[in-house]
Amino acid sequence: DADVTQTPRNRITKTGKRIMLECSQTKGHDRMYWYRQDPGLGLRLIYYSFDVKDINKGEISDGYSVSRQAQAKFSLSLESAIPNQTALYFCATAGQGNLGSYNEQFFGPGTRLTVL
Amino acid sequence: GNSVTQMEGPVTLSEEAFLTINCTYTATGYPSLFWYVQYPGEGLQLLLKATKADDKGSNKGFEATYRKETTSFHLEKGSVQVSDSAVYFCALSDGTGGFKTIFGAGTRLFVKA
Repeated sequence: DADVTQTPRNRITKTGKRIMLECSQTKGHDRMYWYRQDPGLGLRLIYYSFDVKDINKGEISDGYSVSRQAQAKFSLSLESAIPNQTALYFCATAGQGNLGSYNEQFFGPGTRLTVL
Repeated sequence: GNSVTQMEGPVTLSEEAFLTINCTYTATGYPSLFWYVQYPGEGLQLLLKATKADDKGSNKGFEATYRKETTSFHLEKGSVQVSDSAVYFCALSDGTGGFKTIFGAGTRLFVKA
């Protein structure tokens, strides 16, 4: 079974609808992230969370909100979807590496969201 | 702020050709450097990493050396295969705990049989 799962894998919705993307992990990591991927722009950080009570905005948080329901679950919501939020969305996790550092991130398979 | 610049793609090579994908970075402190690979329809996965200057990361025939003097972390492979076709991302995490990772724009590689 995959360590980081995302649901749904694909979603088509209409402008103005509320959408929730869910992420679950079985790696026991404390840090979780949401990114969006657009062609030619790489990955851009939307929100990140160090633990259940610690949530932080990334570089492109406008129009998005998140909820860390448990250590293993981190959801991303689009309160009122708009077409320029059409993108591929990835959840990622990270645990503590050597010497207290956080290194490798583990990614889910992605959710392809289309807003019409 | 921290940033990563990598060569634009797509890069198209024939099987068994030599691969280089250039990556340079800007960072304060002593970041860790990474190459991630994204195969079609999948999420990113770590290919290799280096955590200090002059370290060489290697995996699956790929390698990259952390060059602090040139702020570079170029990805190389001596003989590519069709199965190496993917998008490659250079990335860094800052030295203060590495809680955020900065990604380059990605370079798409096509390998022809």
